[in-house]
Amino acid sequence: GENVEQHPSTLSVQEGDSAVIKCTYSDSASNYFPWYKQELGKGPQLIIDIRSNVGEKKDQRIAVTLNKTAKHFSLHITETQPEDSAVYFCAAPSQFVFGPGTRLSVLP
Amino acid sequence: ETGVTQSPTHLIKTRGQQVTLRCSSQSGHNTVSWYQQALGQGPQFIFQYYREEENGRGNFPPRFSGLQFPNYSSELNVNALELDDSALYLCASSLPGLAMNTYNEQFFGPGTRLTVL
Repeated sequence: GENVEQHPSTLSVQEGDSAVIKCTYSDSASNYFPWYKQELGKGPQLIIDIRSNVGEKKDQRIAVTLNKTAKHFSLHITETQPEDSAVYFCAAPSQFVFGPGTRLSVLP
Repeated sequence: ETGVTQSPTHLIKTRGQQVTLRCSSQSGHNTVSWYQQALGQGPQFIFQYYREEENGRGNFPPRFSGLQFPNYSSELNVNALELDDSALYLCASSLPGLAMNTYNEQFFGPGTRLTVL
């Protein structure tokens, strides 16, 4: 069956530092790897995604790297700001299977 | 452009009752997916509707059912409520994919928080 893990489950960083969240999945059939951000009282919002034919994708302070052989992909946030505080979810092997989430706290 | 809206925002029911949750999709989106999100967990896929037909289903029992209307809005119905059904129910709309594993961005509503006592 499908199994997706995220590490760490919680992460606290100082404002301006970088944050990295890793997503590991078991089914190798996936070709699409999204990351979502969920703020309190809101639904998840797609922040970045990557297709399997690409190893890395960047969008300003956010990047995603993919290692399809090892079946993991990671979210990188640089120069963190307090508004980055939220719960982050990956989805794999399909966009309908979400990980358990990582709570990121950015301390001012 | 109007985003995804859901109603009601909060709901309290007792065990054994039935509940109907509603979702209006984002303008131009004709595919709607429903998710259950228990406290502290990731969203769990319930089912997806496209062209008023169920187009894929997660591991949920038949007492979870849905409808999609010609204007693409959707309903989630849950019969014989159980305590474990207490959760945030999320609706997401998207453009249609050819199959369940195609990759159109999902736009989520704010959810309906259901409490079963």
